[in-house]
Amino acid sequence: DVKVTQSSRYLVKRTGEKVFLECVQDMDHENMFWYRQDPGLGLRLIYFSYDVKMKEKGDIPEGYSVSREKKERFSLILESASTNQTSMYLCASSPGTSNQPQHFGDGTRLSIL
Amino acid sequence: LAKTTQPISMDSYEGQEVNITCSHNNIATNDYITWYQQFPSQGPRFIIQGYKTKVTNEVASLFIPADRKSSTLSLPRVSLSDTAVYYCLVGDSGSARQLTFGSGTQLTVLP
Repeated sequence: DVKVTQSSRYLVKRTGEKVFLECVQDMDHENMFWYRQDPGLGLRLIYFSYDVKMKEKGDIPEGYSVSREKKERFSLILESASTNQTSMYLCASSPGTSNQPQHFGDGTRLSIL
Repeated sequence: LAKTTQPISMDSYEGQEVNITCSHNNIATNDYITWYQQFPSQGPRFIIQGYKTKVTNEVASLFIPADRKSSTLSLPRVSLSDTAVYYCLVGDSGSARQLTFGSGTQLTVLP
């Protein structure tokens, strides 16, 4: 079965820290995505990657960066965490061909104190 | 970007058919419409996808009119376990910048 694994379910960090959220998929998918999910706002795309070392900004990239050194792994980086980045973060992957459904991990609930 | 609009919440009773509509007035020619289901503390899970007319699978049907400016997810004979948030997604995952999720519809199925 398809599997997207996010390294942590819950994470608590302090303001100003550098935070890494890791995501691994075992489906050999070309595309990988990072979203954040907030009450009333649904899912908003932060960054996506369509190949190793390739990345493109989504709707809300400010304050975030990403890294994709291997096909199966996509990392989201908060360079200097702030309280407004407290949220649920969801990783997803999909095949490189058009219009294939995304497969999601179960999310990381990140709290910035 | 195709902006999507869904009802915030809906209630239904077990055994009833539920229809959730998503409006997407600015849908592009290459865009598909995909619906996801999300339970608390889980990531969204794919339900159904379509481009036009009607698509049916083992869990749902998707109705898309000719102008494609809206779509309706139909869940036949819902049960308590169908209580979840349902998201409409319009776009092409091959060009992720075009992906737009709706804000989701909280469906509550009552006994």
